[in-house]
Amino acid sequence: DAGVTQSPTHLIKTRGQHVTLRCSPISGHKSVSWYQQVLGQGPQFIFQYYEKEERGRGNFPDRFSARQFPNYSSELNVNALLLGDSALYLCASSSLLVGHTEAFFGQGTRLTVV
Amino acid sequence: TQLLEQSPQFLSIQEGENLTVYCNSSSVFSSLQWYRQEPGEGPVLLVTVVTGGEVKKLKRLTFQFGDARKDSSLHITAAQPGDTGLYLCAGARPEYGNKLVFGAGTILRVKS
Repeated sequence: DAGVTQSPTHLIKTRGQHVTLRCSPISGHKSVSWYQQVLGQGPQFIFQYYEKEERGRGNFPDRFSARQFPNYSSELNVNALLLGDSALYLCASSSLLVGHTEAFFGQGTRLTVV
Repeated sequence: TQLLEQSPQFLSIQEGENLTVYCNSSSVFSSLQWYRQEPGEGPVLLVTVVTGGEVKKLKRLTFQFGDARKDSSLHITAAQPGDTGLYLCAGARPEYGNKLVFGAGTILRVKS
């Protein structure tokens, strides 16, 4: 069985641009969560989606948005990129809402904003 | 302020030594997960503990959840270079909604 897959693996963008990151959860999992990890820190929660509905939002600006599709894959969008958005963006897949079951992470997308 | 404090932040030891990593909080968690992360990769789940006082073993790794479910420890026996990585603890609480709260991590380097 495939694990959590994220694309692209690496991305370089210019300040002010927008970016779309993609995630496919483990087959059968209905929940996808997004986390941002900057160098030297633990992951910080951005969003959680379950059954295509937003079920949690972290302390991130409105430039960050996400959605979940009928096949449970998900996209994270970031508009008006800032240098501080440079980070490893992680997608986590779980069968139920995170906090009620284990979460499994993808390899991440390394975003560099220049 | 981190809700989950991990210590030490960095640990460099020789192959064969034992070590313990701590994850502490003033808050009670319904569950706590330990992950290991290598550079440029996503965290890999090692274990989940849910019951106060619970002890779980994974080969040379021993995980313990505190009786009050506020803290946890990871003990590695006879560390090997392959144990090198970033060890993260993450907790879940109903009050935090549907998310995991992570500690800042412990960087472990095992030298051969």
